[in-house]
Amino acid sequence: QSALTQPRSVSGSPGQSVTISCTGTSSDVGGYNYVSWYQQHPGKAPKLMIYDVSKRPSGVPDRFSGSKSGNTASLTISGLQAEDEADYYCCSYAGSYTFDVVFGGGTKLTVL
Amino acid sequence: QVQLQESGPGLVKPSETLSLTCTVSGGSISSYYWSWIRQPPGKGLEWIGYIYYSGSTNYNPSLKSRVTISVDTSKNQFSLKLSSVTAADTAVYYCARQRTRYDYVWGSYQEGPKYYFDYWGQGTLVTVSS
Repeated sequence: QSALTQPRSVSGSPGQSVTISCTGTSSDVGGYNYVSWYQQHPGKAPKLMIYDVSKRPSGVPDRFSGSKSGNTASLTISGLQAEDEADYYCCSYAGSYTFDVVFGGGTKLTVL
Repeated sequence: QVQLQESGPGLVKPSETLSLTCTVSGGSISSYYWSWIRQPPGKGLEWIGYIYYSGSTNYNPSLKSRVTISVDTSKNQFSLKLSSVTAADTAVYYCARQRTRYDYVWGSYQEGPKYYFDYWGQGTLVTVSS
């Protein structure tokens, strides 16, 4: 069982927006602004999409955005495109006396 | 452009030690933190541990008794050893980079990792089987 809870799957049509949630506790997601999101296509390595809750690395489209409220972080993808279909994982700092870094179980995004 | 490449045996026998190396090219291993992350087939990601170029380490408590991560700055490499492996250790193993953050605490700067992974290796599948 993963430390952070994500929906197993979400879906949307091209052009629509989807939001993927990531629920933790006050000891991880809620306690620090260190949430990151990764996109993983089949057979490929994860790719950093969002860090520090809402910052985008250079080269990541601004269709991808992150936010946090309480113990739940969210990744929103607007203007869905076919190439966005992938697995998405959230990740959070969990304190230096515990797991340090914990991941969510992953969410499969299907573009209909 | 920084590139990371994992290398090592793809098959390890139960009870033996898994050994992998990550070679960093296109940049120096210095001044960064370097992690190992694994992903069992069809499952999610699990952080194993990290090492600073200076040699300080931090491990996932659930694996700490079996894990050793080391660094060789002269070769721009860092390595993972996982002992007493079982079938549950079968996974794709990734190496990844973390940037360094500097916190001003009690009149001096302390170094620590940033909690995201900006560069990843392509991953290597390690199967534990006799």
